[in-house]
Amino acid sequence: SQQGEEDPQALSIQEGENATMNCSYKTSINNLQWYRQNSGRGLVHLILIRSNEREKHSGRLRVTLDTSKKSSSLLITASRAADTASYFCATGASGGGADGLTFGKGTHLIIQP
Amino acid sequence: EAQVTQNPRYLITVTGKKLTVTCSQNMNHEYMSWYRQDPGLGLRQIYYSMNVEVTDKGDVPEGYKVSRKEKRNFPLILESPSPNQTSLYFCASSPNGDPGHQETQYFGPGTRLLVL
Repeated sequence: SQQGEEDPQALSIQEGENATMNCSYKTSINNLQWYRQNSGRGLVHLILIRSNEREKHSGRLRVTLDTSKKSSSLLITASRAADTASYFCATGASGGGADGLTFGKGTHLIIQP
Repeated sequence: EAQVTQNPRYLITVTGKKLTVTCSQNMNHEYMSWYRQDPGLGLRQIYYSMNVEVTDKGDVPEGYKVSRKEKRNFPLILESPSPNQTSLYFCASSPNGDPGHQETQYFGPGTRLLVL
């Protein structure tokens, strides 16, 4: 399956700094989504970007998508301690098929107070 | 409140003892799915359902069964659990029944299963 791969696997920054996470995927997509997971809890949808979009904003989140490079980035600006979580990208396949959403392994983000 | 619920949240069992994890959503969603999450492996899809009476295998279906007799419920059944099924399980639902055009998925809180 066209699993997304997040990079880095783990990231630790100081509160107030910006955090950038990247996602690469392998095949054509309809959309790419980012989810957040607090330790041991369910995933929460953050933002969706469609294959014909290049950038999208939601509050302190900025997502970019480069379909030519099959990659996306998630930027969290002015990070807060509450942003500490794991972040996953998920791709929705294009052209039909039975894959549904395929999740990457996640980036674990730690915000140091 | 719109939500996906799972029960139980925690379960310890022994090898071979059949168990069912329930999943229910109150959003009238067509698509429902089960995932397992293991360290270093991320989320892997076990089974999904596009609508009532329509289910299909995901990436790791071995050792699991599901049913979709009603739109709101999607139970995960382990007929004969084994230790390698020790994991954190998530149920999710989505308005769109087409797996080829999936958008936002709504996740349950998770079920932590330990098989001894």
